[in-house]
Amino acid sequence: NAGVTQTPKFQVLKTGQSMTLQCAQDMNHEYMSWYRQDPGMGLRLIHYSVGAGITDQGEVPNGYNVSRSTTEDFPLRLLSAAPSQTSVYFCASSSRGVSGNTIYFGEGSWLTVV
Amino acid sequence: ILNVEQSPQSLHVQEGDSTNFTCSFPSSNFYALHWYRWETAKSPEALFVMTLNGDEKKKGRISATLNTKEGYSYLYIKGSQPEDSATYLCALPGGATNKLIFGTGTLLAVQP
Repeated sequence: NAGVTQTPKFQVLKTGQSMTLQCAQDMNHEYMSWYRQDPGMGLRLIHYSVGAGITDQGEVPNGYNVSRSTTEDFPLRLLSAAPSQTSVYFCASSSRGVSGNTIYFGEGSWLTVV
Repeated sequence: ILNVEQSPQSLHVQEGDSTNFTCSFPSSNFYALHWYRWETAKSPEALFVMTLNGDEKKKGRISATLNTKEGYSYLYIKGSQPEDSATYLCALPGGATNKLIFGTGTLLAVQP
């Protein structure tokens, strides 16, 4: 049971570098999202998608891009990494959205920007 | 942005104690409430999704209640065990959107 798979698990970037965090789910879920977790801040929504070809911004979208070309994949791109983007990133999915459906999380990606 | 508040921020109890914590939210435009259990270095684990006023859900020693009219949910743990030590998060959709907004969590530490 793969569920939600994120890669890489750990990454160190230099300021100004770009990178992509990968997220894939094998549950045929329509809804996928990215969160970042910072101490004392809880989980904050970066971007989300309700289906292939559809994306929308969350609470903290600046500095990040997403695309949803397939149902399975929802990559998160950091365009020009900044130390403020040092965080733990979680990808999540659910069958149809967040109102009454269980959300499944990946295991997280630890990113450090130096 | 929806304001989701959790209290207390942290809680230390002895093994065998029962405990509870609160998630508060605006009572208007309620759609659903999620509870998660989150251990450091692991992925958040879904406990309950609650949608109806008066809902009560139970999973083993953990249960939750929901009052949408007054805007709160309680999570109860009966007979806490060290393995219950984790951060407990609640989250709600931000209105008629698919933006799930999280509280900052309650950190529970259970001493053996």
